[in-house]
Amino acid sequence: QSVLTQPPSVSGAPGQRVTISCTGSSSNIGAYDVHWFQQLQRTGPKLLIYANANRPSGVPDRFSGSKSGTSASLAITGLQADDEAEYFCQSYDSGLSGYVFGTGTKVTVL
Amino acid sequence: QVHLVQSGEEVKKPGDSVKVSCKASGYLFISYYIFWVRQAPGQGLEWMGVINPINGRTNYAQNFQGRVTLTGDTSKTTVYMELSSLTSEDSAIYYCARGIYYYDSSGDNLYYFDFWGQGSLVSVSS
Repeated sequence: QSVLTQPPSVSGAPGQRVTISCTGSSSNIGAYDVHWFQQLQRTGPKLLIYANANRPSGVPDRFSGSKSGTSASLAITGLQADDEAEYFCQSYDSGLSGYVFGTGTKVTVL
Repeated sequence: QVHLVQSGEEVKKPGDSVKVSCKASGYLFISYYIFWVRQAPGQGLEWMGVINPINGRTNYAQNFQGRVTLTGDTSKTTVYMELSSLTSEDSAIYYCARGIYYYDSSGDNLYYFDFWGQGSLVSVSS
């Protein structure tokens, strides 16, 4: 059902850097911006990155985003225990004429 | 600060309809579109539709056309999502989210979602 593909899980030790990929196509990421969300257990998603690389007020600069071609990435540096969460990417798809999301990636802090 | 507070858990039978509310506070209600997204167990997020609270205009995702209805009540700063002809596949957590209007790098006017409700669990079972 999800149009954008993410790895199911990534893990890292505290202090390490992890990256999460989000792969789409020319009708979505290849044409439109990507946004990233963090979802803690049993809560609504929280906006982390908007328009590929912008952080809303209050989001630490440990979180960064980038986009190239039909893929995007979220990087988390200085990994902390409370970064353990599910992360989703999101874009727009011209073929579907709607907003599409990634499959989600579970980040585990070892 | 911005809050979107949703109604509680619902248990429905196949064929029923469900109506979920999303009450907004902390900002000018009529100035922002409200989007609805659902998350089935073990699945990703799925966009359902959007409503402009100032005039009630809506746009629905293809997968939900004919089955979902979004309405708004400006006096209560509340938006409602009604989904009909429920099946077990509609069991999910339903979220509302506030949309921020911006110019995408493609040149199109799109939205990103800056605040989300806490989610409303809908369970459909016979």
